Amino acid sequence: GENVEQHPSTLSVQEGDSAVIKCTYSDSASNYFPWYKQELGKGPQLIIDIRSNVGEKKDQRIAVTLNKTAKHFSLHITETQPEDSAVYFCAASPEYNDMRFGAGTRLTVKP
Amino acid sequence: KAGVTQTPRYLIKTRGQQVTLSCSPISGHRSVSWYQQTPGQGLQFLFEYFSETQRNKGNFPGRFSGRQFSNSRSEMNVSTLELGDSALYLCASSLGGLARQETQYFGPGTRLLVL
Repeated sequence: GENVEQHPSTLSVQEGDSAVIKCTYSDSASNYFPWYKQELGKGPQLIIDIRSNVGEKKDQRIAVTLNKTAKHFSLHITETQPEDSAVYFCAASPEYNDMRFGAGTRLTVKP
Repeated sequence: KAGVTQTPRYLIKTRGQQVTLSCSPISGHRSVSWYQQTPGQGLQFLFEYFSETQRNKGNFPGRFSGRQFSNSRSEMNVSTLELGDSALYLCASSLGGLARQETQYFGPGTRLLVL
């Protein structure tokens, strides 16, 4: 089955700086890679996703890159704001009805 | 549209008891997936239901079961509770389910504490 590793586990940045979170996956059959943001007391919320036929996707201050050969994908947040502080999860999904999550990264943006 | 709702939000049980958690998906969504979230194991997939049928099941013992009703509402049951079952249980709904890799919308979760 799929195994997803996520780094770092904690990340602290100054407001306005960029934040990068990296994930690797093991199953070459994985072809869908969503990223979720979880705030305290809430369920995860999808912030961006990418499919294996695309190398990069951007949505305002958030971007995701995918390297299929190396089996890794990354989340980039630019111009971070205090409200970006949360736990971020990457996930990988092959076609057989499964979703595997990384362990999460706790991002703190200091004002 | 109303989001995914889960009841109850908090639950305290003792070892050996059983518990039933409920999830109401977004209107029109036919898929409901359940996840267990713990500090040690992170987010782990339990199972997915689509149109009242279980499509896939994660690596959990048979004490964990679920079902889905014709209105797409889903329930999850855990029998013979163990201390290690203490966790946040999340459900997520989507239109076509994991097989179509569509956006999943998560509920706020039910926090279960087993004493």
